[in-house]
Amino acid sequence: AQTVTQSQPEMSVQEAETVTLSCTYDTSENNYYLFWYKQPPSRQMILVIRQEAYKQQNATENRFSVNFQKAAKSFSLKISDSQLGDTAMYFCAFMKPVRSQGGSEKLVFGKGTKLTVNP
Amino acid sequence: EAQVTQNPRYLITVTGKKLTVTCSQNMNHEYMSWYRQDPGLGLRQIYYSMNVEVTDKGDVPEGYKVSRKEKRNFPLILESPSPNQTSLYFCASSLGGGRAKNIQYFGAGTRLSVL
Repeated sequence: AQTVTQSQPEMSVQEAETVTLSCTYDTSENNYYLFWYKQPPSRQMILVIRQEAYKQQNATENRFSVNFQKAAKSFSLKISDSQLGDTAMYFCAFMKPVRSQGGSEKLVFGKGTKLTVNP
Repeated sequence: EAQVTQNPRYLITVTGKKLTVTCSQNMNHEYMSWYRQDPGLGLRQIYYSMNVEVTDKGDVPEGYKVSRKEKRNFPLILESPSPNQTSLYFCASSLGGGRAKNIQYFGAGTRLSVL
């Protein structure tokens, strides 16, 4: 079974600085998908960024980027120019490939990292 | 606006009193699922549905039922709630079949307390 580990339960960063959240996973699959979700105090789950394992290029979305190391099974999230609105719980998640005719699209989540951005 | 709508957002109930949490999506998604979130455990899948009348168990299905009579709705039923089902529940949906980059859209969550 796949597992996702986030080794940093809590982190803090000063506004405008850069922070990196760690995520490692365990799988025997060769192709899969990785996600970072943000959960602000409103509890809404918001997709931050997505990576396909067969793509070597690291995904980026504005101030958010990932460092995907497939051999090491590592998928860290870097937040540049941190803003107060980035304060949230961040979840790393894994998904196995889905057949075109359908199947479970279960997201396997880590336990989360609580990020606080300080003014 | 494309969205997944859950109701109610908050619910306090007593042990054994049947309840239903509704979930509805307006994106014509085939795939829908339920997760529960508990402190220190992340989110875990309860049930999922690939299409109308097709449902299957996730990782923690005990004590829950679901139905998928219409494409847009996927209610979660607790026939006899117990205190260990106190949790934050999320409904999610996607196009299914690996389409649209496998992105799942989440509802706003339902905070359930069973006394």
